[in-house]
Amino acid sequence: GAGVSQTPSNKVTEKGKYVELRCDPISGHTALYWYRQSLGQGPEFLIYFQGTGAADDSGLPNDRFFAVRPEGSVSTLKIQRTERGDSAVYLCASSQGASYNSPLHFGNGTRLTVT
Amino acid sequence: AQTVTQSQPEMSVQEAETVTLSCTYDTSESDYYLFWYKQPPSRQMILVIRQEAYKQQNATENRFSVNFQKAAKSFSLKISDSQLGDAAMYFCACTLLQGGSEKLVFGKGTKLTVNP
Repeated sequence: GAGVSQTPSNKVTEKGKYVELRCDPISGHTALYWYRQSLGQGPEFLIYFQGTGAADDSGLPNDRFFAVRPEGSVSTLKIQRTERGDSAVYLCASSQGASYNSPLHFGNGTRLTVT
Repeated sequence: AQTVTQSQPEMSVQEAETVTLSCTYDTSESDYYLFWYKQPPSRQMILVIRQEAYKQQNATENRFSVNFQKAAKSFSLKISDSQLGDAAMYFCACTLLQGGSEKLVFGKGTKLTVNP
């Protein structure tokens, strides 16, 4: 694919349910980031992968959030026991290296709505 | 804590005119990078322009240029000859090296409207 692909585009779930958000980065990009964008705000960092390992997960808000990248390509962001405050657009980005050296390429995001 | 401030929630410009979007930041790092991203309704963040803090020369990309004032920690974006397709949210961002990784800190954004 030409760019970063995120699925689903939109997800509506009930409070307390479990959701998975998928990110397909650009082929060959070793760095992968997840950001969360709440309404009226800029994106906020959640987690960064270099290859298969989470190099920095300091932005995950609590232990209900978890992300994996088992083969160093596709990543899944998992949210347990969703709360209404989790409603936001979740953006994924990939790059060949550190974002200052190699520009971040963002996907179109997944809009998560928790009712 | 590192912060990025965009003081203009909304701006408007006439087609073909010039507009400047403001951004200030606060960082304790000596070396960092600054970015402007554009986010149209499709939600995809698109890199507009990048500036390395150690470079004194202001970055330019076609109709887009920046005014980087390192001492004042100011990083404004100038859009010349505005086009209808420039209408979008614009986010200023600064790199933060923390916890062994490098990430971006974004401002809250400025919504730009281009009037025909």
